Amino acid sequence: DIQMTQSPSSLSASVGDRVTLTCRASQGIGIDLAWFQQKPGKAPKRLIYAASTLESGVPLRFSGSGSGTEFTLTISSLQPEDFATYYCLHYNTYPRTFGQGTHLEI
Amino acid sequence: EVQLVESGGGLVQPGGSLRLSCAASAFTFSDYVMSWVRQAPGKGLEWVSAISKSGDRTYYADSVKGRFTISRDNPQNTQYLQMDTLRAEDTAVYYCAKGGWLDSWGQGTLVTVSS
Repeated sequence: DIQMTQSPSSLSASVGDRVTLTCRASQGIGIDLAWFQQKPGKAPKRLIYAASTLESGVPLRFSGSGSGTEFTLTISSLQPEDFATYYCLHYNTYPRTFGQGTHLEI
Repeated sequence: EVQLVESGGGLVQPGGSLRLSCAASAFTFSDYVMSWVRQAPGKGLEWVSAISKSGDRTYYADSVKGRFTISRDNPQNTQYLQMDTLRAEDTAVYYCAKGGWLDSWGQGTLVTVSS
């Protein structure tokens, strides 16, 4: 099975900061990677798929990059509503696997 | 707008069974793989299971293989998760999700396994 490792596990930042979250796959997955945002008590929301394609309606301050085994999610200028937990997911094969999450806090 | 509504959660004793349902609307249900994802209290997301468009292929996480069964009823736009031999570690919010790449999610249903 493919393992997904996110770093850091938590990150403190301020409004206006640029932050980069990383996700590494234990083997190559091409660009079969998605990023999700989850706020407390809510269902996750997909932000990015195919490693870099922004979901409709997602602000342009979010961007994704990478292929193979290393991927990043960048938020160019943090807004108050961006403080949440972020998960990566590979969908290259079954079983799917999520990273353990990055908790982004103020 | 895609809607996914889970139901069937609740309190069950260890060793018991529960069946979750997910009613889908606003998309052509039979055109999509469907999935289940769970989240234990205070923990991260765990992919649980998926089913092909026609229902002829099913996939499971090792943690639930042999205990959980995914199925679907395309005319009724509904998917199911039959959970047997439940354990305390199965306690979680269970989410229904559209597609093999989880593009839309329901609001979740809580399953609590406890005596």
